[in-house]
Amino acid sequence: GDSVTQMEGPVTLSEEAFLTINCTYTATGYPSLFWYVQYPGEGLQLLLKATKADDKGSNKGFEATYRKETTSFHLEKGSVQVSDSAVYFCALAGNQAGTALIFGKGTTLSVSS
Amino acid sequence: GAGVSQSPSNKVTEKGKDVELRCDPISGHTALYWYRQSLGQGLEFLIYFQGNSAPDKSGLPSDRFSAERTGGSVSTLTIQRTQQEDSAVYLCASSAQAGTANYGYTFGSGTRLTVV
Repeated sequence: GDSVTQMEGPVTLSEEAFLTINCTYTATGYPSLFWYVQYPGEGLQLLLKATKADDKGSNKGFEATYRKETTSFHLEKGSVQVSDSAVYFCALAGNQAGTALIFGKGTTLSVSS
Repeated sequence: GAGVSQSPSNKVTEKGKDVELRCDPISGHTALYWYRQSLGQGLEFLIYFQGNSAPDKSGLPSDRFSAERTGGSVSTLTIQRTQQEDSAVYLCASSAQAGTANYGYTFGSGTRLTVV
């Protein structure tokens, strides 16, 4: 079945460092891909998405490109801030209507000043 | 409502007791999803509703778990004879329509269940 694998954390960075969180997927057909973020004490929020190959999703300085050839959707940010400290989840939606989002296990990011 | 509302936010229960968790989705959202978030396990899909029917119950971990949705709105997740391994954060999400290809979910803040 469909699945998502993301790098295990925690990831610890200094402010203004470059961030990459790896995400790869296994799916039939052409899924849509998402990154969700969960800030401390809050619910999950959609960060960005891409619905077809080569699409780039972006939001709040974060970017991820849908790479079908490598089945990847890595999350990147050029300069992280302390406020980016959170848990990041990669997710996919199969192309069959009504199927639930499948999430990775989450990666905890901790940014220090 | 403005967002997805879940209640209670925290629940401590004794092993063997039944619990009910409530989710009030965004008004007009036809699709509703329940997930369980356990430490180190990510988000585990439990059940999905389209309107009042549940086309996909494949994630319910045992027959102690059940869920219903009435009036195409509020949903209740019931866990009978709770066990310590049921301790987790239970998350509810809704979306405007069943297909998720172009719609993300809106999540509630969750119910943290602790079974002692």
